[in-house]
Amino acid sequence: QKEVEQNSGPLSVPEGAIASLNCTYSDRGSQSFFWYRQYSGKSPELIMFIYSNGDKEDGRFTAQLNKASQYVSLLIRDSQPSDSATYLCAVNKGGGFKTIFGAGTRLFVKA
Amino acid sequence: NAGVMQNPRHLVRRRGQEARLRCSPMKGHSHVYWYRQLPEEGLKFMVYLQKENIIDESGMPKERFSAEFPKEGPSILRIQQVVRGDSAAYFCASSPPDTYEQYFGPGTRLTVT
Repeated sequence: QKEVEQNSGPLSVPEGAIASLNCTYSDRGSQSFFWYRQYSGKSPELIMFIYSNGDKEDGRFTAQLNKASQYVSLLIRDSQPSDSATYLCAVNKGGGFKTIFGAGTRLFVKA
Repeated sequence: NAGVMQNPRHLVRRRGQEARLRCSPMKGHSHVYWYRQLPEEGLKFMVYLQKENIIDESGMPKERFSAEFPKEGPSILRIQQVVRGDSAAYFCASSPPDTYEQYFGPGTRLTVT
């Protein structure tokens, strides 16, 4: 079992729709969870972080965390073609500083 | 505010040579992380450093790879006697004290010929 698992996609959604990206993790001791966006050939960019169970909203982005189910998700509302990228889920191992990244989900937003 | 800086952006080395990758964290950031990314793969943690200390190097290959973050100057990732399998993008990230949010530099693309 991978430490952080994501569906590789690609996930294709029409412009204006909600994109839902999912991630599961294996370490129950993890306390910090992150979503990064990476455009092709570029470096990862932090878009959301969440530390507590529940939802956290920032603009068009909502991160959801369920520690009991070891599940974290990212919702992108009103998806735009510029949101087309690979989204990386990241988890801090054992509550420490070491960060484990999932392989990423490729998102395509069709105009 | 300057972001995380890495240089060189592209580095070509012949097999057996040494590669030195440099990373200057964002102002006020005291933690530095190094990651490797192979084409079409995710980021792999290599090492986490604070000033003058290696905190976690569990992702570093046991041989040929080393990292440092001196009191003055950038963090350095050093790869000795490079092999073709070392060809990858190497990313550095930094974070402020007592937080886990990491901000990435543009990366160094290493090509071993």
